[in-house]
Amino acid sequence: EAEVAQSPRYKITEKSQAVAFWCDPISGHATLYWYRQILGQGPELLVQFQDESVVDDSQLPKDRFSAERLKGVDSTLKIQPAELGDSAMYLCASSLQAGTSGSDTQYFGPGTRLTVL
Amino acid sequence: GDSVTQMEGPVTLSEEAFLTINCTYTATGYPSLFWYVQYPGEGLQLLLKATKADDKGSNKGFEATYRKETTSFHLEKGSVQVSDSAVYFCALRGNDMRFGAGTRLTVKP
Repeated sequence: EAEVAQSPRYKITEKSQAVAFWCDPISGHATLYWYRQILGQGPELLVQFQDESVVDDSQLPKDRFSAERLKGVDSTLKIQPAELGDSAMYLCASSLQAGTSGSDTQYFGPGTRLTVL
Repeated sequence: GDSVTQMEGPVTLSEEAFLTINCTYTATGYPSLFWYVQYPGEGLQLLLKATKADDKGSNKGFEATYRKETTSFHLEKGSVQVSDSAVYFCALRGNDMRFGAGTRLTVKP
């Protein structure tokens, strides 16, 4: 069964350092999402891509966070500089092209657990 | 805006007990509704979904019915197992995806 891949699974960094997370969606999924999940809460959307274009980044803290999906396949989320409050699980999800049957269903990767010291 | 409210946890049950986790929603239009499960240290796994009123989603013994009149999508299972211990998230997909805060379930032998 196809899965969303993420790496690394765990990352520990010191504040003010740069970190990057990688995501490879399910093959054929045009839409890719990055979420942040704080411990004890549900995921919150950071950014959504349709192919290589950003369609929603209204909740992305753009002073320190950036995301790209240059070829419309895999994606990278970067934080620079990291702050203590960025400690969380970062989840990537993908779904079929909007308007396609079943496109409302998102499939999640295993996540990257970030700890900022 | 759209929102999801879940029964607060944690929930602790004995093996073979009946499970209900309440979920209600607020949305304009006709969203799709989902239950996801998250095991420790892992991402979210889709458990079941329903896309229109009166639809019943089911998987692995879990069921939930899309009730438009009560704006609810309660999760049920007739007999829980220790392996069902996890955090359960109710979610809706309208213009975007909204998740509840999650309910932690612990099943004891």
